Amino acid sequence: QQQVKQSPQSLIVQKGGISIINCAYENTAFDYFPWYQQFPGKGPALLIAIRPDVSEKKEGRFTISFNKSAKQFSLHIMDSQPGDSATYFCAASMTQTGANNLFFGTGTRLTVIP
Amino acid sequence: DVKVTQSSRYLVKRTGEKVFLECVQDMDHENMFWYRQDPGLGLRLIYFSYDVKMKEKGDIPEGYSVSREKKERFSLILESASTNQTSMYLCASSTTGGLSYEQYFGPGTRLTVT
Repeated sequence: QQQVKQSPQSLIVQKGGISIINCAYENTAFDYFPWYQQFPGKGPALLIAIRPDVSEKKEGRFTISFNKSAKQFSLHIMDSQPGDSATYFCAASMTQTGANNLFFGTGTRLTVIP
Repeated sequence: DVKVTQSSRYLVKRTGEKVFLECVQDMDHENMFWYRQDPGLGLRLIYFSYDVKMKEKGDIPEGYSVSREKKERFSLILESASTNQTSMYLCASSTTGGLSYEQYFGPGTRLTVT
């Protein structure tokens, strides 16, 4: 079963708008929540990550919001640009296990229209 | 700069053939992973390895095996390729310990089994 549920599957946003992608999980042992960005023909690359001891993390135009009680986290892309068009994956990990396996969501294809 | 390379970008094989996918990383990472990526299913872990000659099953190991004879190299083997193994295969590596749990991905191998 999917350990991390991601929505929406696809998203179309106008340039300058806000893109929001949501993820939910059940396993309370997860303690590391990264977002990966994948451009066509490339492997995913780490975009931003958060630990559950904070509710928000911001890096430039990208913000993760984390709600521990609801077991949900989301990625917000402010002032979305055409160059942000990519597939975004949320993930979760139990870092205490050592090998830091990641459980990925199903992905969101973001298209930013100029 | 971390570099993860995969032996082929595109591969076409016939049903029943034995297929080898090779992955090499240049950052002396302890952990290596093989995923397959399918539309709507995200990234699913096939096998991972946290040390030379060590391997662990991921979520979907059936029909696959792996080999890690050297720290920098992790091979995925399809013993008898089938059409349902047509997919994008992604290799990743990461280090153990420290504050970073980032996985570094290769560009992927798109395998078609006919």
